[in-house]
Amino acid sequence: AQKVTQAQTEISVVEKEDVTLDCVYETRDTTYYLFWYKQPPSGELVFLIRRNSFDEQNEISGRYSWNFQKSTSSFNFTITASQVVDSAVYFCALSEAADTDKLIFGTGTRLQVFP
Amino acid sequence: DAGVIQSPRHEVTEMGQEVTLRCKPISGHNSLFWYRQTMMRGLELLIYFNNNVPIDDSGMPEDRFSAKMPNASFSTLKIQPSEPRDSAVYFCASSLFGGFEEAPIGYTFGSGTRLTVV
Repeated sequence: AQKVTQAQTEISVVEKEDVTLDCVYETRDTTYYLFWYKQPPSGELVFLIRRNSFDEQNEISGRYSWNFQKSTSSFNFTITASQVVDSAVYFCALSEAADTDKLIFGTGTRLQVFP
Repeated sequence: DAGVIQSPRHEVTEMGQEVTLRCKPISGHNSLFWYRQTMMRGLELLIYFNNNVPIDDSGMPEDRFSAKMPNASFSTLKIQPSEPRDSAVYFCASSLFGGFEEAPIGYTFGSGTRLTVV
């Protein structure tokens, strides 16, 4: 069965610090997709990234970067030089190729960035 | 593109009343999902449709919950009768599903409906 674990319930940092949000997943499928979503205080869920299981290249988008390691079943998310606007709940999610439409979320990590 | 549109944004109702939540997916998307978010249980998938057909409703909590998708541009989630424990934020999402083992283009979520049952 698929499962996503985000062990960090809440993280607090001061602006300009780097912060890494951890995500560990479980799946029996060899083909799967990993996602990160951001939920700011306004409540909407904003898509950040999708990664398939065959692409282990790390990705960088501005201050955001993602480290995908199949050996440890992890898909960690790093924010460099954090800003107050990064304050949100971040969710990691997984879907399996055999059931691609079923997106299973982790419990989320609340990030608070203080000025 | 207007995105996924949900209505109402907020709903307060009395226990025992019928509640209907509405969703308009992104035009061209062929899959639609209903999620529920609570502090205790996080984000739970309730049901999803592909090409207007319900594919998996195993997440629907009980018979009081029902969902329909009469056409590609509209879906409803109904709770009858509502109970205080149904209080949550209900999200609708849509995606373009290319087929078996093809990656979904990405799930786009609506702004959610905050339901309070008193």
